[in-house]
Amino acid sequence: QQQVKQSPQSLIVQKGGISIINCAYENTAFDYFPWYQQFPGKGPALLIAIRPDVSEKKEGRFTISFNKSAKQFSLHIMDSQPGDSATYFCAASDGSGTYKYIFGTGTRLKVLA
Amino acid sequence: NAGVTQTPKFQVLKTGQSMTLQCAQDMNHEYMSWYRQDPGMGLRLIHYSVGAGITDQGEVPNGYNVSRSTTEDFPLRLLSAAPSQTSVYFCASYPSQARGEAFFGQGTRLTVV
Repeated sequence: QQQVKQSPQSLIVQKGGISIINCAYENTAFDYFPWYQQFPGKGPALLIAIRPDVSEKKEGRFTISFNKSAKQFSLHIMDSQPGDSATYFCAASDGSGTYKYIFGTGTRLKVLA
Repeated sequence: NAGVTQTPKFQVLKTGQSMTLQCAQDMNHEYMSWYRQDPGMGLRLIHYSVGAGITDQGEVPNGYNVSRSTTEDFPLRLLSAAPSQTSVYFCASYPSQARGEAFFGQGTRLTVV
């Protein structure tokens, strides 16, 4: 099974702090790396995504850093807010056109007020 | 525009019973998938479809059947429910022209006793 390993499993951050979630993959054919955010009782929703031809992508307080040689990518949430408390999933796709994603196991983030 | 609609939201089955989880999307997306979400295991792909009449197996297909007779609908059938199928099930659809972004339904929480 082509895995995407995600860490940590849970994370507690103070309001205003930086939340960092890491993922590592094995398959060098992966060419699309999205992050999904899931609130309790809801389906996951796309947060931000990156392709391996760039090393960083920023959207507001959310940044993906990508290290192709290390086969790692991470999500940084700057100025974390209580409303960011959710479960975050990284994922990877191999560009086969079938939209098959391999998801990480998820990180439960809690931002303390 | 409702997006991806899953029914029912909650279901309790007895071991050996069969049922169908419904999924409908009104965005004219070609690609649809079914995932199950279990604690500590992330989202695992059950079956997927790249268009009407075309389906294929994902990572954990055993015990499930799918069909795709129309673009809009992608039902998931549990043939003979087992306690191991207790999970939260998510349906997702993907627009072919927007690489990667998956739109998820709200999920169906299934308990098999």
